[in-house]
Amino acid sequence: QKEVEQDPGPLSVPEGAIVSLNCTYSNSAFQYFMWYRQYSRKGPELLMYTYSSGNKEDGRFTAQVDKSSKYISLFIRDSQPSDSATYLCAGFQGGSEKLVFGKGTKLTVNP
Amino acid sequence: EAGVAQSPRYKIIEKRQSVAFWCNPISGHATLYWYQQILGQGPKLLIQFQNNGVVDDSQLPKDRFSAERLKGVDSTLKIQPAKLEDSAVYLCASSLWASEETQYFGPGTRLLVL
Repeated sequence: QKEVEQDPGPLSVPEGAIVSLNCTYSNSAFQYFMWYRQYSRKGPELLMYTYSSGNKEDGRFTAQVDKSSKYISLFIRDSQPSDSATYLCAGFQGGSEKLVFGKGTKLTVNP
Repeated sequence: EAGVAQSPRYKIIEKRQSVAFWCNPISGHATLYWYQQILGQGPKLLIQFQNNGVVDDSQLPKDRFSAERLKGVDSTLKIQPAKLEDSAVYLCASSLWASEETQYFGPGTRLLVL
């Protein structure tokens, strides 16, 4: 079993839709959970991260972590065509200082 | 603040040839990472440096891959000889310290092995 599992999609939604992106993980030692956004032919850029369980909101983006079910989610409200990208979830374990990524979900927001 | 710089951006070589990639991290960042991202996959860590020392190279195919970090700043990743399955994007990232959860990525070098 991979440490971080993510449905690669692709996911296509109309502009203005609410998008839900999800991952599961198996490593209980992960302390931080990240969401990276990667535009075509670019490097990943950190969108937001959460520490342990709970929610974190940043503008139109909300990240949720449920450690009891080992489930990570990213919600995008009022999606825009500029949100079209691949979204990568990742877990970070402080002791190993390793970032472990999922496969990424390719999102297209259609105008 | 300048980001992580990488060169070249693209490289096409034939199998069994050698190739080298260069990375300049964000100024002041002690930790540098090289990742391999195969098409349709998430980045996979190859090697991690803390200053000019190797912290983790457990997933580096050492029979063909090598990396060094000169004076704790710039780094080069070399593949010799290249195989078809090495076709991927090679990403360099840096962070302030190894325990820092925020890593900043460069644009990557896209390698095609024919």
